[in-house]
Amino acid sequence: AQTVTQSQPEMSVQEAETVTLSCTYDTSESDYYLFWYKQPPSRQMILVIRQEAYKQQNATENRFSVNFQKAAKSFSLKISDSQLGDAAMYFCAYTGYGNKLVFGAGTILRVKS
Amino acid sequence: DAGITQSPRYKITETGRQVTLMCHQTWSHSYMFWYRQDLGHGLRLIYYSAAADITDKGEVPDGYVVSRSKTENFPLTLESATRSQTSVYFCASGHSDSNYGYTFGSGTRLTVV
Repeated sequence: AQTVTQSQPEMSVQEAETVTLSCTYDTSESDYYLFWYKQPPSRQMILVIRQEAYKQQNATENRFSVNFQKAAKSFSLKISDSQLGDAAMYFCAYTGYGNKLVFGAGTILRVKS
Repeated sequence: DAGITQSPRYKITETGRQVTLMCHQTWSHSYMFWYRQDLGHGLRLIYYSAAADITDKGEVPDGYVVSRSKTENFPLTLESATRSQTSVYFCASGHSDSNYGYTFGSGTRLTVV
């Protein structure tokens, strides 16, 4: 079974600084997708960024980018120029054959002004 | 309105009672999912459905029942609620091509007293 591990229960970053959230996963599948979801206090799950495993190029969405290391099974999220609105719980997630989305335990990101 | 809606948003029930959480989506997505969110565990899959009349167990199915007679609806029933089922429940939906991730409802906070 696939597993996703987020080793940082909580992170803090100063406004306008850069922060990196870590995620590792375990799978024997060769074709899969990875995601980062943001959950603000409103509880809504918001898709931040996605990465296709067969693409070597790291995905980027505005201030959000990933460092995808397929051999190491690592998928970290970098947030540049952090803003107060980035404060939230962030979940790393995996989906492969069978289309089930498997989540990590989450990382709480706090942004200091 | 287009989207995925869950009801109720909040629910308090007593131990031993049956309770049903509703999920409705307007996109005709083939896949639908039920997750529960608990601190330290992220989101854990309870049940999922690949199409109408096709359902399968996820990671934590015990104590829950689902049905999917219509593509747009995927209700989750707790047959005899227990305090350990106090949680936030999320419904999600998506196409069979899972590389775009899934869309989540706003969640139902269920408290069993």
